[in-house]
Amino acid sequence: DAKTTQPTSMDCAEGRAANLPCNHSTISGNEYVYWYRQIHSQGPQYIIHGLKNNETNEMASLIITEDRKSSTLILPHATLRDTAVYYCIVRVLASGNTPLVFGKGTRLSVIA
Amino acid sequence: GAVVSQHPSRVICKSGTSVKIECRSLDFQATTMFWYRQFPKQSLMLMATSNEGSKATYEQGVEKDKFLINHASLTLSTLTVTSAHPEDSSFYICSARYTGLNTEAFFGQGTRLTVV
Repeated sequence: DAKTTQPTSMDCAEGRAANLPCNHSTISGNEYVYWYRQIHSQGPQYIIHGLKNNETNEMASLIITEDRKSSTLILPHATLRDTAVYYCIVRVLASGNTPLVFGKGTRLSVIA
Repeated sequence: GAVVSQHPSRVICKSGTSVKIECRSLDFQATTMFWYRQFPKQSLMLMATSNEGSKATYEQGVEKDKFLINHASLTLSTLTVTSAHPEDSSFYICSARYTGLNTEAFFGQGTRLTVV
C-alpha cells in the first residue's frame, strides 16, 4: 500500500470547516483513499473512501486531486465532538482478509 | 453500519494472571478479524490476523504463546493475554470486515487493559 503523509496536528474553530490534507504521491491506479477517525479511547470509525471522484456522505466530503497524489477530507461544520485523530489510508482493492495499516494520522482539535 | 462489539471495555488484572477479550460481529459474519494494540499517543499496531477455523497469523515481534487468539465461529474471536505483565498494559482493539472486495473495516470500541 502507498505511503501517506499527514500533518501531525491541526486546530479548527467550532462551526467552521475543517480541511485535513493527505499526501499520497506514490498512489497506484488501483489504490483507494480511505479516511478513518479515532476519538479518544474508542475504536476507529470509518468516514469515507474514494478512488478518483470526489465523494460526499453525511459525515464528510473527500476531495481527490486530478493526479490523485493528494486528497483533502472536509468536515463542513466542525463540532467539539469531531475532535479526534484522523487517519488517511491508501490501499489496493482488497478482500476482507487484509488488514488496515495505520500511520500516525492528524490530531484535529476543534476549539469552541 | 455494521457493529463490532468488544468486551470488556476496561479490565484491571494482577501481574501473572490471564485476561480474555472478546470480539463479536453482531450483524454480519466475519471469516477474518484483526487484533490491534495501541500504546498512549501512538497509532494502532496490527498484532495478528484471526481466521475462523484456523490458526491466527501473527505480526513480527508478537509472541503467539503470550497472545492466544481463538476464532471459533464466524462471529466471535477472542484474544487471551497470558501471564500478563505491566508492559502488556495497553488499548486492544479488534476489527472485522465484510467478506468481499473494497469494503470498509469496522472496529470494536476497544479494551483498556491495565496490569498491576
